Amino acid sequence: AQSVTQPDIHITVSEGASLELRCNYSYGATPYLFWYVQSPGQGLQLLLKYFSGDTLVQGIKGFEAEFKRSQSSFNLRKPSVHWSDAAEYFCAVAPYNTNAGKSTFGDGTTLTVKP
Amino acid sequence: NAGVTQTPKFQVLKTGQSMTLQCAQDMNHNSMYWYRQDPGMGLRLIYYSASEGTTDKGEVPNGYNVSRLNKREFSLRLESAAPSQTSVYFCASSEDGSSYEQYFGPGTRLTVT
Repeated sequence: AQSVTQPDIHITVSEGASLELRCNYSYGATPYLFWYVQSPGQGLQLLLKYFSGDTLVQGIKGFEAEFKRSQSSFNLRKPSVHWSDAAEYFCAVAPYNTNAGKSTFGDGTTLTVKP
Repeated sequence: NAGVTQTPKFQVLKTGQSMTLQCAQDMNHNSMYWYRQDPGMGLRLIYYSASEGTTDKGEVPNGYNVSRLNKREFSLRLESAAPSQTSVYFCASSEDGSSYEQYFGPGTRLTVT
C-alpha cells in the first residue's frame, strides 16, 4: 500500500522569502503525485500534478515541484511567498493506472506567512 | 459552473441520530468520493464511486453508507451518529481515465454530541 509523509507539520516564513515543503512517498511502482492547497474553511484545490516526463512540474500561483525518484520525494517550492499563500498544503499519491479514488493524502503542512 | 456543492455546511447531531450529507457536481465527472478530515490526520477516504451505479469502500467506511443517486449526486448517510464521527466531510469528483485530479466541495462541518 502507498503512503505519504509530510515531515513538517507547521512552517513559518517571511513574506518574500522562498518556500520548500517536503513530501516523501512510499510506493513500489510509478506513482502519480499531487499537491493540493486548502485555505481556511475551504475545500482542497489542486496546485500541480506529476504523472510522467519532466520531473520539474509547474503549477498555479507560482508553485513548482520536483519529483526525485531516488529520494522518493516530491517537494513543493515557491521562490517568493505572498501573504495569500498562508494555507494548509497536502501532498497525495495515487497508484499508476488506477482510479484516483485510491489516492492517499499526507497529514498536511500548515504555512504561516509573517509580514 | 458551481463545481462541487455540499449541503448542509454545518450540522450538529445528538448521538444516535441519523442524517444524510448531500453532494452534487455539474462537471459531468464519472467518479465521486467522500472523505473525512480530522485535525492532524489529513484526508481519509470513506467511500467512492468510480462510476454511476458503483460504490466501493475506502479506508474508513464503518458507520457510513452511500448512494450514487445518478451521475451528478453522491450522498453519505450516517445511520446512528457517534461522537467519533465529529469531523469535516468533503465530497470530491474527478473524471475517470487519465485525469486523476480531484475537485473538492467546500465541506460539511459535523459535530456529534
